[in-house]
Amino acid sequence: QKEVEQNSGPLSVPEGAIASLNCTYSDRGSQSFFWYRQYSGKSPELIMFIYSNGDKEDGRFTAQLNKASQYVSLLIRDSQPSDSATYLCAALRGKLSFGAGTTVTVRA
Amino acid sequence: GAVVSQHPSRVICKSGTSVKIECRSLDFQATTMFWYRQFPKQSLMLMATSNEGSKATYEQGVEKDKFLINHASLTLSTLTVTSAHPEDSSFYICSAYPAGTNYGYTFGSGTRLTVV
Repeated sequence: QKEVEQNSGPLSVPEGAIASLNCTYSDRGSQSFFWYRQYSGKSPELIMFIYSNGDKEDGRFTAQLNKASQYVSLLIRDSQPSDSATYLCAALRGKLSFGAGTTVTVRA
Repeated sequence: GAVVSQHPSRVICKSGTSVKIECRSLDFQATTMFWYRQFPKQSLMLMATSNEGSKATYEQGVEKDKFLINHASLTLSTLTVTSAHPEDSSFYICSAYPAGTNYGYTFGSGTRLTVV
C-alpha cells in the first residue's frame, strides 16, 4: 500500500469551475499535509499546508483535512488556465511522502 | 519566504563521469536537506536526507557510494552522482525546511541530468 494516494486523473475542468483533488494517507502518525503544484519541467511549489482537522482557505484554494478518515483534499475555485499543472499531495512524518500527483487541465 | 537555490539547472555528461549538484539555502540555515529524484510522469522519490556535519541517511535501494552527499555547512548540501550511467538521467531536486516557520518544505529549481 502506498503511503499517499491521489485520484489518478487527469482532471479536466472548464475555466471558472471548481477543481476538486483528493488524497488519502496510510500512516496515522502523519502530522502535517501539503499540497504542491508542479508545472511541467519545473520543481514543486507549495500551495498550502494543513495540520488541523477542518478547512483552511487561502485565496482561491481550500484544503480540507479529516484525520479520522485519513483524507485530505484541495479545492480550486474559479479555475484559471494558469492552474493547469500536476498537483502533489504530501504527508509529513519525519520526512515527506508524496502521492503520484493529479494532472489538472483547465479549459479556456 | 524561504529560498532554496540549486545549481546547475541542466547538465549533460558522458557515461562514466561524475556530476556535482549544489543546493543552497539562501535566507535560512538548514541542518537538514533532502534530495529527491523524479523520473518522467512519476512522483518525487526521496533519495536521501542530508545532515549538516554528519553522514547522510539514504533510502532503501539508493546506493550511497554512487550518490555521494556532503552537507558541509548550514547552507550548502551537495549531491555527486559518480560514474554516471544513462539510467541515472533524471530530474534531481533538493529541498529544505526552515525550522520554526510555516513555509513548509521549499524546493530548489531542480537539476535535469542527462547522461549520454
